[in-house]
Amino acid sequence: AQKVTQAQTEISVVEKEDVTLDCVYETRDTTYYLFWYKQPPSGELVFLIRRNSFDEQNEISGRYSWNFQKSTSSFNFTITASQVVDSAVYFCALSELWRDDKIIFGKGTRLHILP
Amino acid sequence: EAQVTQNPRYLITVTGKKLTVTCSQNMNHEYMSWYRQDPGLGLRQIYYSMNVEVTDKGDVPEGYKVSRKEKRNFPLILESPSPNQTSLYFCASAWSDREAMGPYNEQFFGPGTRLTVL
Repeated sequence: AQKVTQAQTEISVVEKEDVTLDCVYETRDTTYYLFWYKQPPSGELVFLIRRNSFDEQNEISGRYSWNFQKSTSSFNFTITASQVVDSAVYFCALSELWRDDKIIFGKGTRLHILP
Repeated sequence: EAQVTQNPRYLITVTGKKLTVTCSQNMNHEYMSWYRQDPGLGLRQIYYSMNVEVTDKGDVPEGYKVSRKEKRNFPLILESPSPNQTSLYFCASAWSDREAMGPYNEQFFGPGTRLTVL
C-alpha cells in the first residue's frame, strides 16, 4: 500500500540556516507522482512542486530545491538561507497512477524559522 | 480569479444535526476531493470524485457522504455528525489530462472549514 513518512515532526532553525525536510515514500507502482505543499500559519495550502517517477532530475526554484532519489524512495526538500516567511507546515504527498485515484499525504513537518 | 470556495468557513453544531459543507471550483477541473486535517495526523482523504457522477472513498470515509451532480460542485454531507468529526476540512480540485485522470496534477485547495461538533 502507498505510504508517505515525514519523520521530522517539528524542526527549528535560525534564520539564514539551510534546512532539509525529509520525505520517504512506499509504493508498488512504477508510475507515481510526488508533491510538496506548504501550509503557512494563515492556514491555506499552497502547491510547491510535482515530480513524476520517471523524472529524477533535481529541481531548484530560488532558495528551494528538491532531491528525488528512487533508490532510497525519498523526495527531500531543502530550503537554503531560510527566512522567517518559510515558517510553515510542509506536506509531502504521493499518488499512484495505476492502482487507484487516491492521494496520500504525510503527517507534515512543522518548520520554525527563528529570527 | 481561479479559486475553490468553501462554505461555511466556521461551524459549530451539535451531535446528530445533519450538515452540509459546500465546495465549488471555477476552473473546470475534473478531479475534486475532500480532506480532513487533524493535529498529528496530517491530511487524510475522505472522498474524491473523478468527474460528474463518479465518486469514491478515500481513507477515512466513515460518517461522510458526497455527491457530484455538477462539475463545479462537490458538497460534503455529514448525516449525523459526532464529536470525532470535529476537524479542519479542505476541499480541493485538480485538472486531469487524457492520459492520467486523477490526482496527478497540482491541487488547488479551498480556504478550509473549521467544524466543531459538540
